[in-house]
Amino acid sequence: GIQVEQSPPDLILQEGANSTLRCNFSDSVNNLQWFHQNPWGQLINLFYIPSGTKQNGRLSATTVATERYSLLYISSSQTTDSGVYFCAKASGGSYIPTFGRGTSLIVHP
Amino acid sequence: DSGVTQTPKHLITATGQRVTLRCSPRSGDLSVYWYQQSLDQGLQFLIQYYNGEERAKGNILERFSAQQFPDLHSELNLSSLELGDSALYFCASASTGNEQFFGPGTRLTVL
Repeated sequence: GIQVEQSPPDLILQEGANSTLRCNFSDSVNNLQWFHQNPWGQLINLFYIPSGTKQNGRLSATTVATERYSLLYISSSQTTDSGVYFCAKASGGSYIPTFGRGTSLIVHP
Repeated sequence: DSGVTQTPKHLITATGQRVTLRCSPRSGDLSVYWYQQSLDQGLQFLIQYYNGEERAKGNILERFSAQQFPDLHSELNLSSLELGDSALYFCASASTGNEQFFGPGTRLTVL
């Protein structure tokens, strides 16, 4: 079955809007990361967050491991936030992450 | 800049050929991971090396092989290339904390 499910698959925003991206996973987590893949294909680390909440500027993330989900918040979005956001998690004794299919974000000026 | 380097950035080759992709991990990272990203399959884990030894294998075809050298750089060898092997190939490295950092990728086009 699907181990990592991301929603929504696509999101279009006006610059300045806020958004929440969700990552649901089907079992326990020992390693969870959020990445941003920019339009040039580069994968950029956003958060390493197997549990708890972290903030970095306009971005923040929360993982609730007991309820098997993680959220990525983007506030005051900018056109440079466009791209695909991936959630990747590992579980059990393996630290090999499984990636979700991503959320494709377009921010219009 | 993640500190992980990959070469070449782009590679165009023909079916049946063999290519080698190279990755240098971040300073101090012992683990190297290889991933393939294609439009239909998303990001797929291929193989992991830790300090020169193969640690885990994912969906890696038999035509593909990898190794990690004593200086910790890694190479991914792709042989008997097919059109469907066209993809972005990423290398990532990690320290003991397991947070992975990705290189810029190699875009492979098989014609």
